[in-house]
Amino acid sequence: DGGITQSPKYLFRKEGQNVTLSCEQNLNHDAMYWYRQDPGQGLRLIYYSQIVNDFQKGDIAEGYSVSREKKESFPLTVTSAQKNPTAFYLCASSRQGANNEQFFGPGTRLTVL
Amino acid sequence: GIQVEQSPPDLILQEGANSTLRCNFSDSVNNLQWFHQNPWGQLINLFYIPSGTKQNGRLSATTVATERYSLLYISSSQTTDSGVYFCAVYLEETSGSRLTFGEGTQLTVNP
Repeated sequence: DGGITQSPKYLFRKEGQNVTLSCEQNLNHDAMYWYRQDPGQGLRLIYYSQIVNDFQKGDIAEGYSVSREKKESFPLTVTSAQKNPTAFYLCASSRQGANNEQFFGPGTRLTVL
Repeated sequence: GIQVEQSPPDLILQEGANSTLRCNFSDSVNNLQWFHQNPWGQLINLFYIPSGTKQNGRLSATTVATERYSLLYISSSQTTDSGVYFCAVYLEETSGSRLTFGEGTQLTVNP
């Protein structure tokens, strides 16, 4: 089945630890995205990548880092510099080019204790 | 940046009722998507609609780009329609296009 997978589904970490969220897609999409969702709110863009080995900051990139070494994978690291990391994180992908429809993974709920 | 406003923020319906959700945006956009977020958090694509009207079963959407709004119609609502409905607009930038989301409409359909 083609789709986007995120792991783990739930993640608990202690304050001050870095944590990496996985996002993999087998849709042969060039572009991938990371969003953050806080309770009762819409999604906000953290980082996006239009092509391998290239990525851009979104609206709330501070405290996060990404890499794009493979077309299929776009891991997100939540660093200790992120002040309020507890949130729901969603990954998406799309074909390259302007305004192509984005498809979303199931998300990872991160709780920092 | 562009503002995306959705109304109403909350909506409670009896099963079988019809409803209209609205999305207003503050600037010209290249495209627009409607999503349904189910209780488990999964975002499901409903419509990808820069202009005009599309229908899919009991759901339909209309975007009037020149007047900067889109409407999502749900007819004969079912309890499984419950969840949050998001509107998101596409903006093109030099580094690629990106989505900006509204705050969503929380829909509850009671049996």
